[in-house]
Amino acid sequence: EIVLTQSPGTLSLSPGERATLSCRASQSVSSSYLAWYQHKRGQAPRLLIYGASSRATGIPDRFSGSGSGTDFTLTISRLEPEDFAVYCCQQYGSSPYTFGQGTKLEIK
Amino acid sequence: QVQLQESGPGLVKPSQTLFLTCTVSGGSISSGDYYWSWIRQAPGMGLEWIGYIHYIGSTFYNPSLKSRVTISVDTSKNQFSLTLRSVTAADTAVYSCARQMGHGGSRYFDSWGQGILVTVSS
Repeated sequence: EIVLTQSPGTLSLSPGERATLSCRASQSVSSSYLAWYQHKRGQAPRLLIYGASSRATGIPDRFSGSGSGTDFTLTISRLEPEDFAVYCCQQYGSSPYTFGQGTKLEIK
Repeated sequence: QVQLQESGPGLVKPSQTLFLTCTVSGGSISSGDYYWSWIRQAPGMGLEWIGYIHYIGSTFYNPSLKSRVTISVDTSKNQFSLTLRSVTAADTAVYSCARQMGHGGSRYFDSWGQGILVTVSS
């Protein structure tokens, strides 16, 4: 199965700053079948990005995804207070579908 | 806007069977465009996909759990369920249900429940 490794484990930034989160796969993810989710404690996870770079419905354009093969990135251009959460990547190019362990984005 | 809600016991004894139900509202589980999945997250661990079911009854499971898992669907109640047999402490986790896209090769999750904590302990 494909193992996804996210870095950093924790990212401390201030509102207004730019956040760059990494997701690296143990083998190539076919067709860039990679998604990103935002998860806040006590809430259901929210789909942000699918197909590595397509924003889900209703997601602000400050969220963007890029990458292919084994290296993928989620960028938040200007952090808003509500963006501080855990972010997780998921590959669906091959079964079993797998997730990264998450990056916690915290307020500095 | 589809919503999913998990329900079931929060405590299960070792060697017994875990049974959870996911109720779907705001949309029909009989839509052919989606699969209906279970995912779990053990304490301190990442998310683990358990498996999915299509409303016609076809299923697909994670090989790591396949021997102990059954996912079923009840279209009349707009619900689907998870059965996990012979549980151990390692099955303690937050269990979530989710809607998984079913067109082409896309298998990302576009709607999730909040999750339910299930503890395996005597």
